[in-house]
Formats: sequence, C-alpha cells, structure tokens
Amino acid sequence: DIQMTQSPSSLSASIGDRVTITCRASQSISNYLNWYQQKPGKAPRLLIYAASSLQSGVPSRFSGSGSGTDFTLTISSLQPEDFATYYCQQSYSTPCSFGQGTELEIK
Amino acid sequence: EVQLVESGGGLVKPGGSLRLSCAASGFTFSSYGMNWVRQAPGKGLEWVSSISSSSSYIYYADSVKGRFTISRDNAKNSVYLQMSSLRAEDTAVYYCAREYGSGTYYKFDYWGQGTLVSVSS
Repeated sequence: DIQMTQSPSSLSASIGDRVTITCRASQSISNYLNWYQQKPGKAPRLLIYAASSLQSGVPSRFSGSGSGTDFTLTISSLQPEDFATYYCQQSYSTPCSFGQGTELEIK
Repeated sequence: EVQLVESGGGLVKPGGSLRLSCAASGFTFSSYGMNWVRQAPGKGLEWVSSISSSSSYIYYADSVKGRFTISRDNAKNSVYLQMSSLRAEDTAVYYCAREYGSGTYYKFDYWGQGTLVSVSS
C-alpha cells in the first residue's frame, strides 16, 4: 500500500501570508494526487485534482504542483476562511490513501 | 445541485451490525462510482470501500474486509454500507463520496455531511 506523509502536521500563519504544505508518497504516483480542505464538523472539500488542476469554484489563490513522489499545495495569500485542515490523497492504486492532515491555524 | 445524504448511524455494541445509507440526487447516479470514507474522532480521513457504477468492481480497505459490504441500488439512487462484527475502532463519522473520473484519474468531488457510528458497550 502507498503511504502518504504530509508536512508539517500543523502550521501557524497570518492573514495575507503565503503558505506551502508538502505531501510525499512512499512510491511514485505520477500526478494522481488530490488535495482536500476540511473545516471542523464539515465534510472535506476538493480543492486540487491531478496534482495541479483547480477544482471548479475554488479560489485561484490555491495552487498545486509536483509529480512522482513530492507534491505541494500553496495558498498565495491566506484569507480568514482558509484556516482549516488540509489532506492529500493518492488515486494511483487501490487502496487509495490520505495523508495524515495539516492543520492550518491563525497566528 | 448534487446532494449526498447519509443516514443509519448510531450507537451499537461491539459485535453488532449497522447499515448505512447514502441517498444521492442532482446527478445521474448510475454513471458514477461511489465510496465510503470514515474519520475517527480527532483523526484523519480513512478510505473504507468503493463500488463502481454498475457494481462490477468493489474494493475494501483491509481493516474492514470480511466485515463490511458495500452495495448500491441505481433505481433508488442509493449506496449502502452493511457493517457487521463492529469493533470500537470502527467508531467514526462515515462519509459517502462521489467518485469523478475514470481509471486512476479520479477524485472525490462531492461528499455527504456524514453519519456518526459509535461502537461501545
């Protein structure tokens, strides 16, 4: 099974900051990588698919990059509504797997 | 508008059974694979099971294989998760999620609000 490891596990940042979250796969997954945002008590929301494609309706301040084993999610200028937990997920092989999550907190 | 509404969660004793349902609307249900993903309290997301649009392909996480059964009824626009031999570690919010894409390029583009399953004596 493919293991997904995110870093950092938690992150404090301020409004307007540029933030980068990293996701590493235990083996190459090409670009079969999705990113989700989850707020407390809510279902996850798809942000980025196929490593770098922005899901419809998602603000352009979110972007994704990477291929192979190393991926990043970048928020170019943090907004108040962006404070949440972020998960990466690989769809390269079954079982699909999620990273452990990165909690983004207000500094 | 795409909607996924889970139901059937609740409190059950270890060793017991429960059947979750997910009612879909706002899209052609029979054209999409469906998945169950769970989240234990305070923990991350864990994929549980998937079923293809015509039920031809079914997969399970090792942690639930042999105990959980996924099924769907395209006439009723619903997907189900029959859970048996429940354990304390199955306690979680269970989400159903629509699978968009084909082959390996897929994404979970719509999620339900979740239903809580608590396994405790």
